[in-house]
Amino acid sequence: EAGVTQFPSHSVIEKGQTVTLRCDPISGHDNLYWYRRVMGKEIKFLLHFVKESKQDESGMPNNRFLAERTGGTYSTLKVQPAELEDSGVYFCASSPNRDPYNEQFFGPGTRLTVL
Amino acid sequence: GQQLNQSPQSMFIQEGEDVSMNCTSSSIFNTWLWYKQDPGEGPVLLIALYKAGELTSNGRLTAQFGITRKDSFLNISASIPSDVGIYFCAGRPGAGSYQLTFGKGTKLSVIP
Repeated sequence: EAGVTQFPSHSVIEKGQTVTLRCDPISGHDNLYWYRRVMGKEIKFLLHFVKESKQDESGMPNNRFLAERTGGTYSTLKVQPAELEDSGVYFCASSPNRDPYNEQFFGPGTRLTVL
Repeated sequence: GQQLNQSPQSMFIQEGEDVSMNCTSSSIFNTWLWYKQDPGEGPVLLIALYKAGELTSNGRLTAQFGITRKDSFLNISASIPSDVGIYFCAGRPGAGSYQLTFGKGTKLSVIP
């Protein structure tokens, strides 16, 4: 069974540009999460989808970040316009059904560098 | 927001030595988790703890959920080179919470 995949693995953009990150969760997993790790800091929760609905977006930093999960399968996270402080590693994770104690399986992350 | 204080930040140890790292919080956590991240990969769950006082082992790894529910430790015995990586503690603040709160990580280096 394929794990969580993320694309691209790396992205280098200039301040003010737009970047879209993609996450493909494990097939059949209803729950999809986005997390971010800024250099040297903790991994921070951004938001949680259940199927196509946003269940919790309390961790989204500001309105420059837009996450979607149309059709309840893959998800995209768009940053527009990107700022220097958006640099970091963006992780996606997924878990099955509605039990919050189910393990969250993480993807390899997308390393975003904003110059 | 809730924070987890993880220590040490980094460790250099000789192969065969035992390792200990811990996490503390000023808030109560409902679940404690320990993850390992290898270079270029995402975090992988090592051990999950669900009850205060619980002590759980997974091979050479042992972790405990503190009695006060505000701390947890992870021990690795007889370290080997493939133990190299970043270890993260994480917690769920409440029953039914999907959101994980992470520590800053402990970077472990093992000298052969």
